[in-house]
Amino acid sequence: EAQVTQNPRYLITVTGKKLTVTCSQNMNHEYMSWYRQDPGLGLRQIYYSMNVEVTDKGDVPEGYKVSRKEKRNFPLILESPSPNQTSLYFCASSWGMTVNTEAFFGQGTRLTVV
Amino acid sequence: DAKTTQPPSMDCAEGRAANLPCNHSTISGNEYVYWYRQIHSQGPQYIIHGLKNNETNEMASLIITEDRKSSTLILPHATLRDTAVYYCIVRPSTGTASKLTFGTGTRLQVTL
Repeated sequence: EAQVTQNPRYLITVTGKKLTVTCSQNMNHEYMSWYRQDPGLGLRQIYYSMNVEVTDKGDVPEGYKVSRKEKRNFPLILESPSPNQTSLYFCASSWGMTVNTEAFFGQGTRLTVV
Repeated sequence: DAKTTQPPSMDCAEGRAANLPCNHSTISGNEYVYWYRQIHSQGPQYIIHGLKNNETNEMASLIITEDRKSSTLILPHATLRDTAVYYCIVRPSTGTASKLTFGTGTRLQVTL
């Protein structure tokens, strides 16, 4: 089954403790991205990757890092989480940069930073 | 990027057609209209997209006006499981084409 898998689904952590949210897709997609969703602000793109070893900032990249060492994986790293990063996070993937493609989203990771 | 305007909420009786409007009056000629939905707090799900012609798939139909300034997503026989937030998105055809700019969407409530 084609899917995007995120882990963990729920995470409560303390300020400053480094964490990684994993994202994996089994569709051989080139393009992957991370979004965060906050009440009243909708979904905003954090980072995206066009292919292995190619990443770039989205709209709200501050406080986040990503890496793309393999095509299927695109982890989101919070080196020093802060309470304002409490949010619902989604990973997405699609075939490429062309317009005529649909994006597949993971089920989300609800992160709470205390 | 073209901005979209959607009503914040709509109700629909189960079994009836749900018609969700979207205004995108500043759309340019090479921009597509996409629809996604988000059920509760799950990941957004692709529904349908189109450029200028009307489109239909197993989930829905998309009607785009001739001047392309607005569109309507039609769920022909809404069920309770169609209760969700529906997002109308206009995607640029160049640059970061795969970025999806989500607005606040329309919250569709399907009732018995």
